[in-house]
Amino acid sequence: GQQVMQIPQYQHVQEGEDFTTYCNSSTTLSNIQWYKQRPGGHPVFLIQLVKSGEVKKQKRLTFQFGEAKKNSSLHITATQTTDVGTYFCAFAFSGTYKYIFGTGTRLKVLA
Amino acid sequence: NAGVTQTPKFRVLKTGQSMTLLCAQDMNHEYMYWYRQDPGMGLRLIHYSVGEGTTAKGEVPDGYNVSRLKKQNFLLGLESAAPSQTSVYFCASSYLYEQFFGPGTRLTVL
Repeated sequence: GQQVMQIPQYQHVQEGEDFTTYCNSSTTLSNIQWYKQRPGGHPVFLIQLVKSGEVKKQKRLTFQFGEAKKNSSLHITATQTTDVGTYFCAFAFSGTYKYIFGTGTRLKVLA
Repeated sequence: NAGVTQTPKFRVLKTGQSMTLLCAQDMNHEYMYWYRQDPGMGLRLIHYSVGEGTTAKGEVPDGYNVSRLKKQNFLLGLESAAPSQTSVYFCASSYLYEQFFGPGTRLTVL
């Protein structure tokens, strides 16, 4: 079935370094969402992208949706210890509320 | 506003036992979801509901049943628990596309 692959699975960075996680699909997506889950916590919605080539920024976070709507990325500039957690992408089948989540990228920030 | 709450927080079952997980939201959201989260697997949708009295199957519905008798509540039932159902269960609700998650229920089936 339709699914998304997230890479990398894990990433350790020094505080202040940049971080990027990628979400790839073999088929065209109607939308892509990003969530953050802190260790021991629950997922928290970050953003949704729906347009081809869309780029959105939230402070140090930059989200992109590919031109072909088959991939997306989340880039964090100058990571901080508060960025620690697992980042998930997710999409809903067109016209439905049936969501599929990626396997996530676990980010560890070393102070 | 409490947001999304889940009951219980933790539970240990023996194989074959049944139980119901309760999810409640006070945001008047139409849409509600049940997910399970296993290590390395991300979140997988079990069942979801687009409104009171309606339910639909998600990605991994087998072994689970749900009911949405009231708009604010979404119940997840396990009729005969199996060790493969050991997981952390998250409920979520949404008005449109932004999902709000509850704190989760950690279930262990022995």
